[in-house]
Amino acid sequence: AQSVSQHNHHVILSEAASLELGCNYSYGGTVNLFWYVQYPGQHLQLLLKYFSGDPLVKGIKGFEAEFIKSKFSFNLRKPSVQWSDTAEYFCAVGDYNAGNMLTFGGGTRLMVKP
Amino acid sequence: DVKVTQSSRYLVKRTGEKVFLECVQDMDHENMFWYRQDPGLGLRLIYFSYDVKMKEKGDIPEGYSVSREKKERFSLILESASTNQTSMYLCASSLPGNTEAFFGQGTRLTVV
Repeated sequence: AQSVSQHNHHVILSEAASLELGCNYSYGGTVNLFWYVQYPGQHLQLLLKYFSGDPLVKGIKGFEAEFIKSKFSFNLRKPSVQWSDTAEYFCAVGDYNAGNMLTFGGGTRLMVKP
Repeated sequence: DVKVTQSSRYLVKRTGEKVFLECVQDMDHENMFWYRQDPGLGLRLIYFSYDVKMKEKGDIPEGYSVSREKKERFSLILESASTNQTSMYLCASSLPGNTEAFFGQGTRLTVV
C-alpha cells in the first residue's frame, strides 16, 4: 500500500521567512498529488494539486509545489509566509490502483510568529 | 461548490454506546469516505463507498461499520464505542475516477 511521509511535524517561522515542507510517497505508478491545509477550527481545504503536465504547480495564497518523479517527492513552498498561514498542512497521494483513495501524510503543524 | 455536511461538530458518548455519525453531500458524488484524524498520524481511512450499498474497508476498519442506503448519505457506525475511538472524524466525497476529495467540517467525538 502507498505510504506518505512528511518530514517535519512542527515548523515555527517568523513572518516573511521562506517555507518548504517535504513530502515523499512510497511508490510510483499513476498517482495524483495534493496538499491540503487545515486552519484552526476549520475544515480541510485543497491548497493545490498535481495530476499531470508542468511539475511546478501553483496553488492558492502564493503556495507552490514541485513534483519530482525520480525522488517520489512533492514538496510545498512559499517564498514569504504570513501569520495567517499558521495551520496544519497535509500531503496526500491519490492512487488509481487503490480505488481512487487518498493516502495522507502525518501532517505538519506550521506556526508563523508575527 | 461541493458541500459535505456532517451532522454534528461535537459528540460525547459513553463507553459501550452505539454511535452514528452522519454525512451528506450535495454534488451527486459516487465516492464517499470516512477518515479519522489523530495528532501526528494524519488522516487514516476507515471505510469508503463507491456506490449505493457498496463499501470497502480502509486501513483501520476494526470497531466500525458503515451504511450507504442513498447516494448522498454515508453513515459511520461505532458498534460499541471505546475510549480509543476518541478522535476527529472526517467525511469526504469525490467523483468516480477522480482522486480529489472534498471534506466536511469534521465531528470531534469523545468517548468517556
